[in-house]
Amino acid sequence: ETGVTQTPRHLVMGMTNKKSLKCEQHLGHNAMYWYKQSAKKPLELMFVYSLEERVENNSVPSRFSPECPNSSHLFLHLHTLQPEDSALYLCASSQFAGGGALSSYNEQFFGPGTRLTVL
Amino acid sequence: EDQVTQSPEALRLQEGESSSLNCSYTVSGLRGLFWYRQDPGKGPEFLFTLYSAGEEKEKERLKATLTKKESFLHITAPKPEDSATYLCAKGNTGFQKLVFGTGTRLLVSP
Repeated sequence: ETGVTQTPRHLVMGMTNKKSLKCEQHLGHNAMYWYKQSAKKPLELMFVYSLEERVENNSVPSRFSPECPNSSHLFLHLHTLQPEDSALYLCASSQFAGGGALSSYNEQFFGPGTRLTVL
Repeated sequence: EDQVTQSPEALRLQEGESSSLNCSYTVSGLRGLFWYRQDPGKGPEFLFTLYSAGEEKEKERLKATLTKKESFLHITAPKPEDSATYLCAKGNTGFQKLVFGTGTRLLVSP
């Protein structure tokens, strides 16, 4: 496997179900991200992990629960979702070089996404 | 609030007809300006990063440029396989936080 992989690619769930999305990066990066992509809207950053520590939580409802057990793996646990949560969920990774508040960013590499439908 | 605005929303070109896509952004705290290509049902594919005004980068038929307020993605003699949505994103203050535009859907007809 190369790059960033995500499973499953498609998921249909009821509002009372619990499911998890999985992401794995094979790039040796130290930061991982979850994004939500809805039709006609820009990509929305949900969570950022650096060295397995959550460093950003972009006001995401608690029905989304991230987990980063190591620098290569990222999960998004889903429970009691709403139909408006139907979207493409994208995982990304990058190499954070440090350097403080004025440091430039390195590019993020994305996985293929999980298309989630909530009935 | 930081914003990224892309125009046009959609663009239809004939094969070989060159054009430019625009990305304007709020100026404060730029940590990099990123261009991505996204095909239907797939994740965004990284194209370019620009860090300072005057910088230019090229890849095949694509050339990205950056000014103090905008970035342009120039497409020279496009081919049908260049059809995709092109996304622009600004590296923002905060940890590795990218703010994305809504994209330009490009369709190149043979």
